[in-house]
Amino acid sequence: QQQVKQSPQSLIVQKGGISIINCAYENTAFDYFPWYQQFPGKGPALLIAIRPDVSEKKEGRFTISFNKSAKQFSLHIMDSQPGDSATYFCAARGTSGTYKYIFGTGTRLKVLA
Amino acid sequence: GAVVSQHPSRVICKSGTSVKIECRSLDFQATTMFWYRQFPKQSLMLMATSNEGSKATYEQGVEKDKFLINHASLTLSTLTVTSAHPEDSSFYICSAPRQGQYEQYFGPGTRLTVT
Repeated sequence: QQQVKQSPQSLIVQKGGISIINCAYENTAFDYFPWYQQFPGKGPALLIAIRPDVSEKKEGRFTISFNKSAKQFSLHIMDSQPGDSATYFCAARGTSGTYKYIFGTGTRLKVLA
Repeated sequence: GAVVSQHPSRVICKSGTSVKIECRSLDFQATTMFWYRQFPKQSLMLMATSNEGSKATYEQGVEKDKFLINHASLTLSTLTVTSAHPEDSSFYICSAPRQGQYEQYFGPGTRLTVT
């Protein structure tokens, strides 16, 4: 079964620090890798995404690094702020059928003021 | 970005009753919508794929007779939890991709509590 493994499960970072969340997938039948941010009681919101033909994508303080050969991708949050405290999910989109997403298990980030 | 809405945002119902949750794509048409279930502090679990004009596709282990899905139009999908029980209490979230795009846009979720 297709899986996306995410780590760490939880993360505490000082304000201004760098938050790093990692994901790994097990097969190559994915063509799009988004990261979602979710606040308690809210739906997930797209943060940033990457396609496998690109090794890095940066949008503001958020960067995705993608290693196709290792089947790994990571989210870096630079200059982390207390407002970034949320749960982050990586996902991978399947390449067939209805193109459904497989989600990672989530990382609860807390940024200390 | 695209907007997906859900109604209601919260619902409390008694055990044995049925509850309908609506998911609407407000500014685009969606031939496909996805329904997820999320328990506290857990990831999103895909329940089913809603297809406009055809039957929904359910993930393994999801009871299709309990979770009825109807994709009534290109902007509306509904999830009906039939004969709800306390163990059905959860956060239900829908999403929809724009045609031709990779992104899925998520609704704000519906908190279902069955007493």
